[in-house]
Amino acid sequence: DIQMTQSPSTLSASVGDRVTITCRASQSVNDWLAWFQQKPGTAPKLLIYKASRLQTGVPSRFSGSASGTEFTLTIRSLQPDDFATYYCLQYETLSPWTFGQGTKVEAK
Amino acid sequence: QVTLEESGPALVKPRQTLTLTCTFSGFSLTTGGMRVSWVRQPPGKALEWLARIDWDGDTFYSTSLKTRLTISKDPSKNRVVLILTNVDPMDTATYYCTRVDFWGQGTLVTVSS
Repeated sequence: DIQMTQSPSTLSASVGDRVTITCRASQSVNDWLAWFQQKPGTAPKLLIYKASRLQTGVPSRFSGSASGTEFTLTIRSLQPDDFATYYCLQYETLSPWTFGQGTKVEAK
Repeated sequence: QVTLEESGPALVKPRQTLTLTCTFSGFSLTTGGMRVSWVRQPPGKALEWLARIDWDGDTFYSTSLKTRLTISKDPSKNRVVLILTNVDPMDTATYYCTRVDFWGQGTLVTVSS
């Protein structure tokens, strides 16, 4: 299976901060990489797909980028609604899929 | 409008078989490129991808659980079924079905005697 290593596991930040979360794949996933936001008691919400494409309705302060097997989710200016847990998912079509371990963004 | 809804037992005894159903609307699993997955999340823990079935019938499973999992589809009824055999308390989790861009609300399954 393709392994996803996500970091950090916890991130303390303030409103207005620029936040960066990273996922590294153990092998190429051909940019089949998605980012999700999850709040307690609710299903995950798709933010980014195909590494850098913004899902419809998601604020433009969220962005995704890729460099080989390293993927980054950036929140340009953290808002109060953004405190949540974020997960990456590799969804390479010919393989089983795998999630990263999650990053909890909490208030500093 | 795409929707997915999970259904199944809330409580299962150890060593029993768990059967979960995902009933969806707003798309067809016979359309090229469509895929439906099952994902679970133990209380307070991370998301875990379990299995996927594609429009062409291809199936993929988590390596760690593949001997216990079966996923199938009934396109005529817009349903995807997940079977997990020989359950253990470690299988206690909220189980989600998802198209990646759309998710069900999840169903909590507790494994306990």
